[in-house]
Amino acid sequence: AQTVTQSQPEMSVQEAETVTLSCTYDTSESDYYLFWYKQPPSRQMILVIRQEAYKQQNATENRFSVNFQKAAKSFSLKISDSQLGDAAMYFCAYRSDRRAGTASKLTFGTGTRLQVTL
Amino acid sequence: NAGVMQNPRHLVRRRGQEARLRCSPMKGHSHVYWYRQLPEEGLKFMVYLQKENIIDESGMPKERFSAEFPKEGPSILRIQQVVRGDSAAYFCASSPTTGALNTEAFFGQGTRLTVV
Repeated sequence: AQTVTQSQPEMSVQEAETVTLSCTYDTSESDYYLFWYKQPPSRQMILVIRQEAYKQQNATENRFSVNFQKAAKSFSLKISDSQLGDAAMYFCAYRSDRRAGTASKLTFGTGTRLQVTL
Repeated sequence: NAGVMQNPRHLVRRRGQEARLRCSPMKGHSHVYWYRQLPEEGLKFMVYLQKENIIDESGMPKERFSAEFPKEGPSILRIQQVVRGDSAAYFCASSPTTGALNTEAFFGQGTRLTVV
């Protein structure tokens, strides 16, 4: 079974600064997807960024980028130019790439609470 | 295109009562997933359904919990004889039909169940 570990329960960053959230995972599969989700106080789960394991290039979405190290099974999220609206819980998640064509379940880490200070 | 709709947003039940949580997937989506989030924890997979079929229920407790996704209407997560430990946020996610390898799941806003 796959596991996802987020070792930072809480992180804090000043507005406009950069912060990196850590995530490691364990799997015996070679093809899979990794995700970062944001959960603000509204509880809505918002997809921040996605990485396909077969792609060597790190995914980027505006101020959000990842450092994907497949051999180390590491998938960290970097948030640049942090904004007050970035304050939320951030969850790292893993999904198998089952090439039968059906989407499969997500395995989540325990989350990192990000505070953004002025 | 409306997102994944869950209702109710908040549900309070006394111990021993039944809780019914509803999830209407996005239009065109025939895959539904239910997850449970205990306080200060991540989401844990419960069950994966397609129309009229349970595909994977490996995360469902063996007793008191059941799920369905009928041909017509929303998916229902049913918890019988609720206990305080069932208090949690329950999230539904949906994804499109088969065929695309990188189908993405879209989440509803969750139902917060409180058992008193």
